[in-house]
Amino acid sequence: AQTVTQSQPEMSVQEAETVTLSCTYDTSESDYYLFWYKQPPSRQMILVIRQEAYKQQNATENRFSVNFQKAAKSFSLKISDSQLGDAAMYFCAYRSRNNDMRFGAGTRLTVKP
Amino acid sequence: GAVVSQHPSRVICKSGTSVKIECRSLDFQATTMFWYRQFPKKSLMLMATSNEGSKATYEQGVEKDKFLINHASLTLSTLTVTSAHPEDSSFYICSARPGRSYNEQFFGPGTRLTVL
Repeated sequence: AQTVTQSQPEMSVQEAETVTLSCTYDTSESDYYLFWYKQPPSRQMILVIRQEAYKQQNATENRFSVNFQKAAKSFSLKISDSQLGDAAMYFCAYRSRNNDMRFGAGTRLTVKP
Repeated sequence: GAVVSQHPSRVICKSGTSVKIECRSLDFQATTMFWYRQFPKKSLMLMATSNEGSKATYEQGVEKDKFLINHASLTLSTLTVTSAHPEDSSFYICSARPGRSYNEQFFGPGTRLTVL
């Protein structure tokens, strides 16, 4: 079974600074997708960024970028120029070919003004 | 973007009663829908996966007779919590995907269930 591990229960960053959230996963498959979701206090899951495993290039979405290390099974999220609105729970997720999406335990990000 | 709605957003019920939660894809057809459960300050745990017109596939440890899932159409899935007990109190989130090969899932806003 695939597992997703987020080893940082909480992280804090100063507004306008950069923060990196860690995620590792375990799988025996070669074709899969990885995601970072944001869950604000409203509890609505919001897709931040996704990465196809077959793509070597790291995905980027504005201030959000990932460092995808397939061999190391690592998928970290970097948030640049952090904003107060970035404060939320962040979940790393893995989706395999059999279509199940599995989530890590989450990292609570606090942004200090 | 694709929108998934859930109804109700929160429900309070008495122990022993049944509660139905609806999940609708508003602007796309969802061949696959997923139901997750989230405890406070915890992650989302997949309960079951349902494909339109077929029986749901439940995760290990999830009682299929207690959590009845129906995916009767390409835009509607329902989760019925039967004979609810206080330990069933949780946040339930549905998710829908347009097609088998599509790599994104769209999430509903969730339903908070409180069983007294």
